[in-house]
Amino acid sequence: HSALTQPRSVSGSPGQSVTISCTGTSSDIGVYKSVSWYQQHPGKAPNLMIHDDIQRPSGVPDRFSASKSGNTASLTISGLQADDEADYYCCSCVGGYSWVFGGGTKVTVL
Amino acid sequence: QVPWVASGGGVVQPGGSLRLSCTASGLTFTSHGFHWVRQAPGKGLEWVAFIWSDGSRKFHADSVEGRFTVSRDDSEGTLYLQMDSLRVEDTALYYCTRDRGRVYLDAWGQGMLVTVSS
Repeated sequence: HSALTQPRSVSGSPGQSVTISCTGTSSDIGVYKSVSWYQQHPGKAPNLMIHDDIQRPSGVPDRFSASKSGNTASLTISGLQADDEADYYCCSCVGGYSWVFGGGTKVTVL
Repeated sequence: QVPWVASGGGVVQPGGSLRLSCTASGLTFTSHGFHWVRQAPGKGLEWVAFIWSDGSRKFHADSVEGRFTVSRDDSEGTLYLQMDSLRVEDTALYYCTRDRGRVYLDAWGQGMLVTVSS
């Protein structure tokens, strides 16, 4: 399975909103495979931000929201803060027992 | 608090072997499946392997199939990744992480660096 497609980078000023897209195919995201999102700060392990397409784990600020339509999932960060500057990855389980990640999106807070 | 105690990373020559270990610390081990995910320097995340909660089924990415083997020891609460016939392109940080219903991954370890170089 090919990696899910994400933009390499997005940027925004503090307080603004940014949206990261994650595009798959009818064999993965498009066939009702749940998407999860992970935040990774430099030198740190990934951290779960969204699961089951739109669900936020406890402790994740409600500034982080997600959606999915067809073959594309999206993560939106509202009220951008300096600490949101990180890499973000989408992920989905495909083909039964294989997992695929997006290529990652670097979020820069201007 | 990091939920794992990781060990086994290091430098190895191409064609060599290495075994990574992640021992659960403060998380329930026996009722969950677990994954290995790796990240080459400056690159994105790549799924490597998954083992069922009872260890009866194991799955590996095509890129490591036949060379890497995931296993677990429930009595020790430890997850393993045996890596044989290592290649330069296997150089990466290797993370252990918990499976949640094949829907998402949580409880990530801190990562172990494996460097394959002559």
